[in-house]
Amino acid sequence: DAGITQSPRYKITETGRQVTLMCHQTWSHSYMFWYRQDLGHGLRLIYYSAAADITDKGEVPDGYVVSRSKTENFPLTLESATRSQTSVYFCASNHNEQFFGPGTRLTVL
Amino acid sequence: AQSVTQLDSQVPVFEEAPVELRCNYSSSVSVYLFWYVQYPNQGLQLLLKYLSGSTLVKGINGFEAEFNKSQTSFHLRKPSVHISDTAEYFCAVILNTGNQFYFGTGTSLTVIP
Repeated sequence: DAGITQSPRYKITETGRQVTLMCHQTWSHSYMFWYRQDLGHGLRLIYYSAAADITDKGEVPDGYVVSRSKTENFPLTLESATRSQTSVYFCASNHNEQFFGPGTRLTVL
Repeated sequence: AQSVTQLDSQVPVFEEAPVELRCNYSSSVSVYLFWYVQYPNQGLQLLLKYLSGSTLVKGINGFEAEFNKSQTSFHLRKPSVHISDTAEYFCAVILNTGNQFYFGTGTSLTVIP
């Protein structure tokens, strides 16, 4: 299917565990983004990537790591999950507008 | 620095009534403007966008927005809302020379039967 997919859609983990959220797009867009959405904060940019092997920090990068070895994939890793990282995470890509994935709801216990 | 302000966090409105969701932005350079809608448990989808040309932009589902450069606003309007319009609405800007979007904090529209 064309578009942006995210996996898993739902994830429950424990404090201190490593978690990786996957993002895949079929359009070969250069730019990709990771946001978190929390009540009262709207969407906050975590990291973005201008191309394969080029990534940069956004507004709230602490506690997250990204990689972009291939244009179509942009995984987000929480190296040691904390309760404050409980959120809904959205991946997006750009081409004249921003296209969003369906989101991953992450709960850290 | 760029910023986007959505003045109303929640807007309740009766079915078939008109609605306006407000958005103001600040930027020292020219921007492109967008409105996105998010239905419950879904991602964001584009409602409409202003890149250039006519300042009145029409989008999907009967929504429209007007770009006002002097007031740095991009308010979203619909003359008659439906129950199905209940959702979260986000205003966003991007520099005409950049690729990073800046989002407002969102307005929750609730349509009351």
